[in-house]
Amino acid sequence: AQTVTQSQPEMSVQEAETVTLSCTYDTSESNYYLFWYKQPPSRQMILVIRQEAYKQQNATENRFSVNFQKAAKSFSLKISDSQLGDTAMYFCALHNNAGNMLTFGGGTRLMVKP
Amino acid sequence: NAGVMQNPRHLVRRRGQEARLRCSPVKGHSHVYWYRQLPEEGLKFMVYLQKENIIDESGMPKERFSAEFPKEGPSILRIQQVVRGDSAAYFCASSVGTGSTNYGYTFGSGTRLTVV
Repeated sequence: AQTVTQSQPEMSVQEAETVTLSCTYDTSESNYYLFWYKQPPSRQMILVIRQEAYKQQNATENRFSVNFQKAAKSFSLKISDSQLGDTAMYFCALHNNAGNMLTFGGGTRLMVKP
Repeated sequence: NAGVMQNPRHLVRRRGQEARLRCSPVKGHSHVYWYRQLPEEGLKFMVYLQKENIIDESGMPKERFSAEFPKEGPSILRIQQVVRGDSAAYFCASSVGTGSTNYGYTFGSGTRLTVV
């Protein structure tokens, strides 16, 4: 079985500052994918960033970047220059290469303050 | 190219009634997944379907829940004889493929089911 744990139920950050959301996971597979999804109040699940486990280079998408530590099974999300529109729930998720499902963490509620 | 379309967006049912949730995947996506989200929790996998086939239903409750993805038309998640504990947001996602061919899931906006 695979598990995903987000240990920060809530976080807040001042606009324009940087914030890091934590995620740890456990899987017996050697090849897998990791994702961060954003869920604003509209409830839409929006893909923020994606990382293949076999790639050592950390993924980056504009203001969003990850710190992927495979040995430690850690996958944190860094948001730089936080904007008010970044206020949302953020979910970390794991997908095994041969699997049929995403396993989600419990989420972190991020509030960006003006 | 429209995304995943789910309807209705909100659904209210009385205990004992049936709920039918619809999902039209992204055009060209042949893989459909249903997830359930309880309040203040992450999404939990329910079922994975390809056209006319249930591939993995390991997350589906054994009773009252069923899903289909017919050759023509949307995927349907059906909940019979709903109870208050079924109140949740139900999300559908679609993908081009699985495993190494999967470039990420596209999610719909969900259907919020309220059982009164």
